[in-house]
Amino acid sequence: QSVLTQPPSVSGAPGQRVTISCTGSSSNIGAGYAVHWYQQFPGAGPKLLIYDNNNRPSGVSDRFSGSKSGSSASLAITGLRTEDEADYYCQSYDDRLSGSRVFGGGTKLTVL
Amino acid sequence: QGQLEQSGAEVKKPGASVKVSCKASGYTFSNYDVNWVRQAPGQGLEWMGWMNPKSGNTGYAQKFQGRVTMTRNTSSLTAYMELRSLRSDDTAVYYCARGISINCRSGSCTGGWFAPWGQGTPVTVPS
Repeated sequence: QSVLTQPPSVSGAPGQRVTISCTGSSSNIGAGYAVHWYQQFPGAGPKLLIYDNNNRPSGVSDRFSGSKSGSSASLAITGLRTEDEADYYCQSYDDRLSGSRVFGGGTKLTVL
Repeated sequence: QGQLEQSGAEVKKPGASVKVSCKASGYTFSNYDVNWVRQAPGQGLEWMGWMNPKSGNTGYAQKFQGRVTMTRNTSSLTAYMELRSLRSDDTAVYYCARGISINCRSGSCTGGWFAPWGQGTPVTVPS
């Protein structure tokens, strides 16, 4: 059971917009800690996609955006492409678990 | 930007130990924590702990305390993760990742993300 809750799967057609939610609590996201997002393709390691809630590292498409409100965060992908099909993970920090970084369970994005 | 290069795949018997290495290049090794994250087959990411290369200080996830040790060799810019008393459910790909420190101000924090990541080290513990 992950500390951060994500939907197991989302899907969308090419060109559409999809969002992936990440729900935490008052000891992590709700405590003011930033949320980060990673993209992982099959057989590959994770890659940082969004950091500090809504910032994109150099080289990441502006079709990807993040937001945070209260104890939750979201990743939005616009203009969906087949190459976006991957697993997406949110990550933050949790006060209760001294020094612990925590991940969501991951969301599989399928582009129909 | 930096890079992390990990050691190769391992197959270990139950009860044995494994030590995975992670060599840093392209950035100042001592300025950033090294974190370890594992991923069991078909499962999500699981954070194991962090190590500060400058001080050697460590912090481990409760689940792994007493069974994991994270160390470093500052001369060779290499971090290590040793996991003992291996079980079949330790079968996973183990990743090292550079961690950005967290800074909090007036109830809002930034930092804490991981980048770059190593390529991963598969560890298999047959049942």
